Amino acid sequence: EVQLVQSGAEVKKPGESLKISCEASGYTFSNFWIGWVRQVPGKGLEWVAIIYPRDSDAQYSPSFQGQVTISADKSIRTAYLQWTSLKASDSAIYYCTRHASGTYEAHYWGQGTLVTVSS
Amino acid sequence: DIQMTQSPSSVSASVGDRVTITCRASQDIGSWLAWYQQKPGKAPQLLIHAAFTLKSGVPSRFSGYASGTDFTLTISSLQPEDSATYYCQQANSFPLTFGGGTKVAIK
Repeated sequence: EVQLVQSGAEVKKPGESLKISCEASGYTFSNFWIGWVRQVPGKGLEWVAIIYPRDSDAQYSPSFQGQVTISADKSIRTAYLQWTSLKASDSAIYYCTRHASGTYEAHYWGQGTLVTVSS
Repeated sequence: DIQMTQSPSSVSASVGDRVTITCRASQDIGSWLAWYQQKPGKAPQLLIHAAFTLKSGVPSRFSGYASGTDFTLTISSLQPEDSATYYCQQANSFPLTFGGGTKVAIK
């Protein structure tokens, strides 16, 4: 059974750094794209970034390029999303997604990580 | 970027009604379209992929259709547990993009 277990909620101040994680199990981690989707509470879904763990090929939404970094550690089957300098506008729920073989459709979702950035 | 225009933004229907949600892509995406269901406080879940294919375990009252750049999600007989927000997503090319969502409520 495919499972994506995300790290817990975070409360940070503007300007701080953050790295959230998504631990995958139940499949061969290297062989499937894994990504992140943002949702501001009460709003719609926004695609952030995706990575192919086998070769670390990463793609970003233009809206998030330069603002976040996606990475993956094959040895511990974990994907990450990190910020070097958070803004209040980064406050949202971030979902980890695993995509099907050969496609970019998100067949599996993590439970979400709530990030709150407030002074 | 490919824009996904989803309509309506909300719909209210009775149990047993047929509900149709539409997504229009701004350019050709083939059949690379997915539909997701999100219930309040929960993560989205995949309903349909490749425009037509139901994910295993999804009730057969859900169906997908495509005609050119127009895609539809139909719930043939609305059930109380279908109260949720539905999103389309194009999976043809980067950046991946979502529709704005359709909130389905039960009258």
